[in-house]
Amino acid sequence: ETGVTQSPTHLIKTRGQQVTLRCSSQSGHNTVSWYQQALGQGPQFIFQYYREEENGRGNFPPRFSGLQFPNYSSELNVNALELDDSALYLCASSGGAGAPYNEQFFGPGTRLTVL
Amino acid sequence: GQQLNQSPQSMFIQEGEDVSMNCTSSSIFNTWLWYKQDPGEGPVLLIALYKAGELTSNGRLTAQFGITRKDSFLNISASIPSDVGIYFCAGLAGGTSYGKLTFGQGTILTVHP
Repeated sequence: ETGVTQSPTHLIKTRGQQVTLRCSSQSGHNTVSWYQQALGQGPQFIFQYYREEENGRGNFPPRFSGLQFPNYSSELNVNALELDDSALYLCASSGGAGAPYNEQFFGPGTRLTVL
Repeated sequence: GQQLNQSPQSMFIQEGEDVSMNCTSSSIFNTWLWYKQDPGEGPVLLIALYKAGELTSNGRLTAQFGITRKDSFLNISASIPSDVGIYFCAGLAGGTSYGKLTFGQGTILTVHP
């Protein structure tokens, strides 16, 4: 069984740029959720994707967008980067045959630094 | 919005001691999850709780889903150095909250050998 993977592991961007982060869900899972974790804080929910559609969104502006692909992998896109976007971005997968919907399994994260 | 208050913020204990931490909320949750996060890594799921009053164990870890559905507790018995890390509680409200996990601020655990 393959766990959740994310790429890249680290990324440095400048203000105003755009970034795309990628996530492959754990095998058998069909739902992907994205979280932002600032230093010293708990993760904050950005949004969730199920059947290639956004299935719920947290308190994040529209410049945070995402996609889910037929193989359940997902992308998080952030436009017009701001300094406060610097954080660890976590992807979690859940759901699917025999998998409890409520148990979300996290990847190692992508550390984004905005200069 | 929903807030989870996790305490204590940090703990410094000796190897072999037991540890207790808890999480409280102003809102009801249908599911409580406990995670452990090591530096530079993603959170790892330790225990999931689904029913009010439920008590669940995973090795030396025991967690309980509070009867009011607004709190949860995690106990670690006979701590060892590899228990070091940040422990997070997370609640899932269900309904229109979909799969949104709300996290506490974390408890930093340090174990002295």
